[in-house]
Amino acid sequence: QKEVEQNSGPLSVPEGAIASLNCTYSDRVSQSFFWYRQYSGKSPELIMSIYSNGDKEDGRFTAQLNKASQYVSLLIRDSQPSDSATYLCAAYSSASKIIFGSGTRLSIRP
Amino acid sequence: DGGITQSPKYLFRKEGQNVTLSCEQNLNHDAMYWYRQDPGQGLRLIYYSQIVNDFQKGDIAEGYSVSREKKESFPLTVTSAQKNPTAFYLCASSMETGTGSYNEQFFGPGTRLTVL
Repeated sequence: QKEVEQNSGPLSVPEGAIASLNCTYSDRVSQSFFWYRQYSGKSPELIMSIYSNGDKEDGRFTAQLNKASQYVSLLIRDSQPSDSATYLCAAYSSASKIIFGSGTRLSIRP
Repeated sequence: DGGITQSPKYLFRKEGQNVTLSCEQNLNHDAMYWYRQDPGQGLRLIYYSQIVNDFQKGDIAEGYSVSREKKESFPLTVTSAQKNPTAFYLCASSMETGTGSYNEQFFGPGTRLTVL
């Protein structure tokens, strides 16, 4: 069974600090990885995609990929209360399927 | 305005009823997906379709059916055989490259189904 694992949290981070979210995946052939943000009662929103080893930055968000360790992370700099949400890590599997983790709940405290 | 629409937003089903959830996209995406999300849980794949007139079962297809007669539309029917259908249903779509790149999935707003 191919899996994507995340700590369910909640992860509590003070406003203005860096939030670090982590994810591991089991399928070594996965090539594409995604981070989604989901507010309570809403649908997931894609915030980052990463395909190559290393870092990818977009505004306050940085995605990091280490294929050797099968590890993906998301850093959120200058955390804001509006960043409080559940963050879903996902990995592209074979046959057009994306495998989702169960999500990490992030809470930014003022 | 490009995007994915789902209707209705809320749906109530009586025991023994079949109900159909609508999903439409105008992004010209080839692939479409249906997921189920239970409270505090991740997404579970019900069905997916890569091209018109073809679809595959996901991990939890029992009690559900789909059709893909048009590229833009991928309706999901929750049948009376689905014993515990109360959940949040999410439709998604993606470009289909076959390589794993540029196949981000984009989600509709969801339908919340409740069994009375």
